[in-house]
Amino acid sequence: ETGVTQSPTHLIKTRGQQVTLRCSSQSGHNTVSWYQQALGQGPQFIFQYYREEENGRGNFPPRFSGLQFPNYSSELNVNALELDDSALYLCASRGGSYYEQYFGPGTRLTVT
Amino acid sequence: TQLLEQSPQFLSIQEGENLTVYCNSSSVFSSLQWYRQEPGEGPVLLVTVVTGGEVKKLKRLTFQFGDARKDSSLHITAAQPGDTGLYLCAGAPDAGGTSYGKLTFGQGTILTVHP
Repeated sequence: ETGVTQSPTHLIKTRGQQVTLRCSSQSGHNTVSWYQQALGQGPQFIFQYYREEENGRGNFPPRFSGLQFPNYSSELNVNALELDDSALYLCASRGGSYYEQYFGPGTRLTVT
Repeated sequence: TQLLEQSPQFLSIQEGENLTVYCNSSSVFSSLQWYRQEPGEGPVLLVTVVTGGEVKKLKRLTFQFGDARKDSSLHITAAQPGDTGLYLCAGAPDAGGTSYGKLTFGQGTILTVHP
């Protein structure tokens, strides 16, 4: 059984560009959540996907969007990047266990 | 908006000492979780507390959920260098199953245990 994987590991983009981050959920997990973790802070909830539908969204603007695919993998897209978007982006998946979600190692995004 | 405040933000202690990390909110959470995160990795779940007043023990770690479900604490006995890391509390907004994917996190406590 493989855990949650994310790609790429690191990414450097320029302000105004667009970025797509990818997440493969743990086998059998149908729910994926995305979080943004700024340096020295706790993660902030961006949105959750359950069976390919957005199921809850945090306080993030519409330029943050996502997708979940039939195999439950997921993408996070961010348009018109701003310097403040520089952060670690974490993906977490949940399956049958009510409480437990498993985090991937994250994608470190730097916007210059 | 639900917020969680963790204290202290930084903790530097010697091996063998005891410590407590606090997580407080003005809001009620249906449950609280504690995670540990190491550099370059995602958070790893340590425990979930669901009932007000609940106490859970995990080896040298003791977790408590406040009676009013607004606060929680993590106590480590006889800390070891391997306990070094970022400790995060996180609250689930409601009792629904999908709420565990919509967590509110505290800002974290960076613990360093010196040999």
